Amino acid sequence: DAGITQSPRYKITETGRQVTLMCHQTWSHSYMFWYRQDLGHGLRLIYYSAAADITDKGEVPDGYVVSRSKTENFPLTLESATRSQTSVYFCASSEGGAVDYEQYFGPGTRLTVT
Amino acid sequence: LAKTTQPISMDSYEGQEVNITCSHNNIATNDYITWYQQFPSQGPRFIIQGYKTKVTNEVASLFIPADRKSSTLSLPRVSLSDTAVYYCLVGYLPYGGATNKLIFGTGTLLAVQP
Repeated sequence: DAGITQSPRYKITETGRQVTLMCHQTWSHSYMFWYRQDLGHGLRLIYYSAAADITDKGEVPDGYVVSRSKTENFPLTLESATRSQTSVYFCASSEGGAVDYEQYFGPGTRLTVT
Repeated sequence: LAKTTQPISMDSYEGQEVNITCSHNNIATNDYITWYQQFPSQGPRFIIQGYKTKVTNEVASLFIPADRKSSTLSLPRVSLSDTAVYYCLVGYLPYGGATNKLIFGTGTLLAVQP
């Protein structure tokens, strides 16, 4: 199916465990993004990638790791999950560039850290 | 970094025009202004984007004054299905990776009543 998908949609994990959230897009968009959404904070950028093998930090990168070996995939790893990382995580992609970008968002992953 | 401020909520009735304002006093020269709509349990969806003056598409208009320190999203003749959270996003992303320049507002919950 064309578009942007995230997996899993729901995840419960324990404090200290490593968790990887997957994101896949079929448009060959250059840019991909990871956001977290929490009540009272709206959407906050964690990391983004301008192309394969090019990533950069966003507003709240601590505790997260990303990689992008292929254009279509952008996994987000929580190396040692903490309760403060309980959130809804959204992946997005865009054609990117310095002007006129529109981000296409995935359906989100609801992560609970117990 | 440009910080954005939006009203937390707004009420309207079907058929009315709704104007949602976003304040971004520290907007930078390269920053674009983008608005997104989000329904419960879904990712945000692009509505409109602009740099200055007025932009109109099939669903909304965006008004940006000359100083660009605020912007107003205008939704003509809203319906019940327009009930959602609306986010203002200010920023841009240069090619090749750089310091984060994307700042979402905390969103405005628009409730449309019959």
